[in-house]
Amino acid sequence: DAKTTQPPSMDCAEGRAANLPCNHSTISGNEYVYWYRQIHSQGPQYIIHGLKNNETNEMASLIITEDRKSSTLILPHATLRDTAVYYCIVRVPRGTGTASKLTFGTGTRLQVTL
Amino acid sequence: ETGVTQSPTHLIKTRGQQVTLRCSSQSGHNTVSWYQQALGQGPQFIFQYYREEENGRGNFPPRFSGLQFPNYSSELNVNALELDDSALYLCASSLDLQHTDTQYFGPGTRLTVL
Repeated sequence: DAKTTQPPSMDCAEGRAANLPCNHSTISGNEYVYWYRQIHSQGPQYIIHGLKNNETNEMASLIITEDRKSSTLILPHATLRDTAVYYCIVRVPRGTGTASKLTFGTGTRLQVTL
Repeated sequence: ETGVTQSPTHLIKTRGQQVTLRCSSQSGHNTVSWYQQALGQGPQFIFQYYREEENGRGNFPPRFSGLQFPNYSSELNVNALELDDSALYLCASSLDLQHTDTQYFGPGTRLTVL
């Protein structure tokens, strides 16, 4: 699985959009971009994933560049409850002959403040 | 729909003992993955089970073993506990379908080895 690079920490004011970047310059054509977050001492929570098109769900939007070498997770109106470590992961889904493991990096610690 | 559950929540053992951790998959899921998360680090893949067979393994010694049952619940067993085994152990379940095998995590079991 391709490696990802994320800033170690970011701050965001409550109510504003939080834009979390991720670089994955060695991503392969069949690798998806996944985002998870982990609130202190809890299990990681799935947020969103995509292959090459932009995706949106009730939690967030995922913007993937045309060359797929980077992406941005957008939390449109951050709240204090969004304070967490956000992990960007690229992986090949199951069905390609390998275990569909998630390889976590160190993530971005997002602090949402009043 | 019931999410992923894990038991126990917390556990304290002494060095050399054996421990069994349990995981119940999300309804309809047939694949279980186990991760170890040491303090301050991202989760590390231990192994994955699909239809009661080990489907892949990370860089963990054989004293880490597992089982998956016909109802897709799972156990993680660790023998000869070492101090470094102190960690949050996470279980994630998924449905094995190509291109859409998103893993959903349980709350974890906090293991302390004294």
